[in-house]
Amino acid sequence: KAGVTQTPRYLIKTRGQQVTLSCSPISGHRSVSWYQQTPGQGLQFLFEYFSETQRNKGNFPGRFSGRQFSNSRSEMNVSTLELGDSALYLCASSRGQLAGNGEQYFGPGTRLTVT
Amino acid sequence: GENVEQHPSTLSVQEGDSAVIKCTYSDSASNYFPWYKQELGKGPQLIIDIRSNVGEKKDQRIAVTLNKTAKHFSLHITETQPEDSAVYFCAADPDRGSTLGRLYFGRGTQLTVWP
Repeated sequence: KAGVTQTPRYLIKTRGQQVTLSCSPISGHRSVSWYQQTPGQGLQFLFEYFSETQRNKGNFPGRFSGRQFSNSRSEMNVSTLELGDSALYLCASSRGQLAGNGEQYFGPGTRLTVT
Repeated sequence: GENVEQHPSTLSVQEGDSAVIKCTYSDSASNYFPWYKQELGKGPQLIIDIRSNVGEKKDQRIAVTLNKTAKHFSLHITETQPEDSAVYFCAADPDRGSTLGRLYFGRGTQLTVWP
């Protein structure tokens, strides 16, 4: 079974630009969660989507947004990039159903550098 | 929100020795506690997890214990090998048994196993 895939793997952007990252979950998984990983703040939850609906959102500004498509693939968008947005963005998928199926499996991440 | 603390931040052991990593959490409603291993350049890999109705769980050389009263859980790795060297993260799911795709992570432990 293929794992979680993320594209692109690396991105370099300039302050003020916007960026879109993509995530394809494991086949059969309907939940996609996004996390930001930085040396200073560690792994922080951004938001989660299940059946095209955002169910949970972390404490990030409105510049961070996402969506999920009917095939469970998800994208996240960051507008008006700031230097502090440089991070590894991780996507995780899970079945997303009731307790007992909460195991999250991570992709390799997208390394975003903002200059 | 949930706060997860993890200790130690770095741990060096000799090959064949045991390694123990400890985490505490703040939200008594949390009832799912996964552990992840992250190697350089890769996303976190789920290695073991435990739910609040279980006190201990083992998988070959890895075991996790949970004390809900004290709100702490630990990862034990026995007979360590150089390939165990990585950053280990503990996490807690605060969503009361539902699966809403939100994990709170500790800051990580860099484990180094010397041959």
